[in-house]
Amino acid sequence: DAKTTQPPSMDCAEGRAANLPCNHSTISGNEYVYWYRQIHSQGPQYIIHGLKNNETNEMASLIITEDRKSSTLILPHATLRDTAVYYCIVRVLGSARQLTFGSGTQLTVLP
Amino acid sequence: TAGITQAPTSQILAAGRSMTLRCTQDMRHNAMYWYRQDLGLGLRLIHYSNTAGTTGKGEVPDGYSVSRANTDDFPLTLASAVPSQTSVYFCASSDSSRGTEAFFGQGTRLTVV
Repeated sequence: DAKTTQPPSMDCAEGRAANLPCNHSTISGNEYVYWYRQIHSQGPQYIIHGLKNNETNEMASLIITEDRKSSTLILPHATLRDTAVYYCIVRVLGSARQLTFGSGTQLTVLP
Repeated sequence: TAGITQAPTSQILAAGRSMTLRCTQDMRHNAMYWYRQDLGLGLRLIHYSNTAGTTGKGEVPDGYSVSRANTDDFPLTLASAVPSQTSVYFCASSDSSRGTEAFFGQGTRLTVV
């Protein structure tokens, strides 16, 4: 599975959009981009995933660049409860390979 | 409510003792995983299982063993606990054939003294 690079920390004002970047320059054509988050002391929670098209669900939007070497997770209206560590992971759909978590981005939403 | 359940929630264990952390899922997911998370660090994979009857080693397997007798259960055993195994342990499951998201348990906080 391709490795990812994320900034270690970011701040965002409550009510504003939080944009979390992820670089995955070695991503393969059949690898998907997944995002998870971990709120303090809880198990990681799935957010969204995509291959090459932008995706949106009730939690967030995922923007993947045309060359697929980077992506951005967007939380449109961040709340204090969105404070968490966000993990960007790339893996092959249908692969039996385990999820590999990096160090993620600590997002702090400020009041 | 469907999901993944871990037990116990927390445990204090004397060094040298053995312990089994339990993990059960009712989503009929084929793949299951055990991770450990140390303070301030990311998750590290201990062992995984792609399907009942098979297991594999992850990044930090030493000192741990697993079994997968059926689809639903994936226990993690510490044969002789050491203080460095003090950590929070998370179990997860996914349907790897469809590439669906992984669901995580609430974690087991283990302290080895």
